[in-house]
Amino acid sequence: DVKVTQSSRYLVKRTGEKVFLECVQDMDHENMFWYRQDPGLGLRLIYFSYDVKMKEKGDIPEGYSVSREKKERFSLILESASTNQTSMYLCASTTEGGPNTEAFFGQGTRLTVV
Amino acid sequence: QQQVKQSPQSLIVQKGGISIINCAYENTAFDYFPWYQQFPGKGPALLIAIRPDVSEKKEGRFTISFNKSAKQFSLHIMDSQPGDSATYFCAARPNSGYALNFGKGTSLLVTP
Repeated sequence: DVKVTQSSRYLVKRTGEKVFLECVQDMDHENMFWYRQDPGLGLRLIYFSYDVKMKEKGDIPEGYSVSREKKERFSLILESASTNQTSMYLCASTTEGGPNTEAFFGQGTRLTVV
Repeated sequence: QQQVKQSPQSLIVQKGGISIINCAYENTAFDYFPWYQQFPGKGPALLIAIRPDVSEKKEGRFTISFNKSAKQFSLHIMDSQPGDSATYFCAARPNSGYALNFGKGTSLLVTP
């Protein structure tokens, strides 16, 4: 079974803090993604990575950065957390397996910035 | 902007009824259309998916209908059960892309 594990289920951080969200997958997937989920807005892509040390901006990258030093790990960084970054963050991974590639999601990290 | 438009935002169906969720897209480069199901406290999980070379795909009580000319696709849940109560997301991915573009989601409640 594919497993995508996010390091924290719940986080509370203060405005201005640097925040790290960690994601690990155990199926040797090439591609990893960070989405943000907000009520009424669905899932919006923040960043994705198709290889180690490679990254691409998604639809809403402002205020975020990412790091992928190892194939199995993809980190989302909030350089200076703000209250409008309070949200559910979802990590996903896919293999480079062709047109029907399924995305596997972690359980999410609910981040509250106060 | 949202590349995949999903409706309705919420849906209440009686047990045994049919739940229908609709999605529309504009980008003709999309060639993979999955539906994801999300229960509270969980990440989304793939429910069923279709490619544009077929007009319908059925898996158990779940059916995707696909209309390529209208650029629309829909999820039908037959004999809806209370256990189907969840949020459903349609999505699309272009043939040369990596990431899924998601609709805004539909919150489905199936009443006993």
